[in-house]
Amino acid sequence: ELKVEQNPLFLSMQEGKNYTIYCNYSTTSDRLYWYRQDPGKSLESLFVLLSNGAVKQEGRLMASLDTKARLSTLHITAAVHDLSATYFCAVILTGNQFYFGTGTSLTVIP
Amino acid sequence: SAVISQKPSRDICQRGTSLTIQCQVDSQVTMMFWYRQQPGQSLTLIATANQGSEATYESGFVIDKFPISRPNLTFSTLTVSNMSPEDSSIYLCSVGKGSQETQYFGPGTRLLVL
Repeated sequence: ELKVEQNPLFLSMQEGKNYTIYCNYSTTSDRLYWYRQDPGKSLESLFVLLSNGAVKQEGRLMASLDTKARLSTLHITAAVHDLSATYFCAVILTGNQFYFGTGTSLTVIP
Repeated sequence: SAVISQKPSRDICQRGTSLTIQCQVDSQVTMMFWYRQQPGQSLTLIATANQGSEATYESGFVIDKFPISRPNLTFSTLTVSNMSPEDSSIYLCSVGKGSQETQYFGPGTRLLVL
């Protein structure tokens, strides 16, 4: 059974601080996705990581992928309140079926 | 990208009734996906809907409970049958687009079963 686990599940951090969210998955996958979900909203695509060693950055968020370790990280630099949301990683298996991680609820405190 | 709309956006239903959720995409796609997101939880894939064939259901989901239609390449419906309070969830449809097969999600249908 495929498992996609994130930690932490809940994260409360001060503005200006750095932190990393981890995503571990249990089966081989060459693609990993990060999504953001605001309360009461649908999911917004943040990053698509397509190969081992891939690193992508957008603003204060940077995502990386290590396919050998089956690990992806989402690093937050100098957090601001607008980053408060729930973040999901997802892996894709055959047939373009996505399996989502448990989610990390991030709260950035002023 | 893809623009996806869902109807209804939310509904409150009585136990034992059924609700059909519609999903419309602004371009033709081969596969459409239906997910459930229970309160405070992650997303769980219900089924994959292919045009011209029966939907493929994930473990724990059956056609009698969640019948799906896919009459063309831009539209799909998911019916939640014989509802119970445990079916209270957000139901989202999604499609994959582009060379990276990024999944784009509809706004979701928020269902409350009393």
